[in-house]
Amino acid sequence: SQQGEEDPQALSIQEGENATMNCSYKTSINNLQWYRQNSGRGLVHLILIRSNEREKHSGRLRVTLDTSKKSSSLLITASRAADTASYFCATDLYTGGGADGLTFGKGTHLIIQP
Amino acid sequence: DAGVTQSPTHLIKTRGQQVTLRCSPKSGHDTVSWYQQALGQGPQFIFQYYEEEERQRGNFPDRFSGHQFPNYSSELNVNALLLGDSALYLCASSLFAQGFQPQHFGDGTRLSIL
Repeated sequence: SQQGEEDPQALSIQEGENATMNCSYKTSINNLQWYRQNSGRGLVHLILIRSNEREKHSGRLRVTLDTSKKSSSLLITASRAADTASYFCATDLYTGGGADGLTFGKGTHLIIQP
Repeated sequence: DAGVTQSPTHLIKTRGQQVTLRCSPKSGHDTVSWYQQALGQGPQFIFQYYEEEERQRGNFPDRFSGHQFPNYSSELNVNALLLGDSALYLCASSLFAQGFQPQHFGDGTRLSIL
């Protein structure tokens, strides 16, 4: 079963615009991560936010976390054609520490129109 | 510095057959996780290997089994293949340590069951 659910399922915007995608999850978490997947390729880790953090930045990425609502958002500013990909949120499956298995949502497919 | 490599890239099997997929982790990594990604879905965690033992397991039947070798490489075996096993199988590696460790993914093996 999927822990996280991304919204929207698909998003198409013009190059240069900002893209926002949301993720909701069901159980308590230690941290929440965002990954990107280009078509036919593996996933690439983008950013992690811990359960005691509310906002985190990395380059053009901004992630927020609201543990009371069990939700997170990923904002990509000044989008580029190369940002076209599927984006997934992921949470740790267990709380045992180390590199736990991850539970992914169904993803948001982002298309940047040139 | 080689990343995660998986073989083969594509595979076609028929129902009832058995298949073995292989993964070499990123240099310096000691933990390997396997995921199944159906078309249009997020990856689902199958299991994780560390120190040549299955450390964590997702909700997959016993038809799915694995192995980790002393050089940290890993195999995923699936017996009695079903049509529903058609998917992209992703391997991810990481370094087992306290605290967060991002997972590094290979580009996957595309398995088609006829």
